[in-house]
Amino acid sequence: AQKVTQAQTEISVVEKEDVTLDCVYETRDTTYYLFWYKQPPSGELVFLIRRNSFDEQNEISGRYSWNFQKSTSSFNFTITASQVVDSAVYFCALRRSYNTDKLIFGTGTRLQVFP
Amino acid sequence: EAQVTQNPRYLITVTGKKLTVTCSQNMNHEYMSWYRQDPGLGLRQIYYSMNVEVTDKGDVPEGYKVSRKEKRNFPLILESPSPNQTSLYFCASSLFASVYEQYFGPGTRLTVT
Repeated sequence: AQKVTQAQTEISVVEKEDVTLDCVYETRDTTYYLFWYKQPPSGELVFLIRRNSFDEQNEISGRYSWNFQKSTSSFNFTITASQVVDSAVYFCALRRSYNTDKLIFGTGTRLQVFP
Repeated sequence: EAQVTQNPRYLITVTGKKLTVTCSQNMNHEYMSWYRQDPGLGLRQIYYSMNVEVTDKGDVPEGYKVSRKEKRNFPLILESPSPNQTSLYFCASSLFASVYEQYFGPGTRLTVT
């Protein structure tokens, strides 16, 4: 069975702190794709990153970085020097490799960044 | 502008009154999906479509219907809405399965009383 677990329901930090959002997934597939989406207070879902199971390189995009570790089935997301605009709900998601449109989401982590 | 649109954005209705939430994308995507978002449960897939006239159930299809007569449109139909279908609904599309990210519509907040 496919499953995504985001154990942190809510995280609060003060601006400029670094914060890591955890994502643990379960799948028996050897090929799969992992995603992170951001849902700001306005409600829309914003795509942040896609990672396939064969690419374990960490990725950095500005203040955002992602750590993919197949050995621990984790795909963690770190925000460096957090800002108030980072306040949102963040979802990790898993998609199988074969012909499917199914995206399995975690329950999300609400991040609140206080000034 | 490439986008997924949904209408209406907000809807309050009564139990049993049939309703349709429309979804349209202008990116010529083959894949489209419907999700519902509920507190503490994240997003769960209701139905998806891999092409015109090809639809399949997601994780929570009970009480919903869909159709895909044209590539750009994927309406969600609630034939007899019930209060447990009160939720935030998202339509999404993607170019192909798996590799590509899904683009989401702005969401439809539905309340069934």
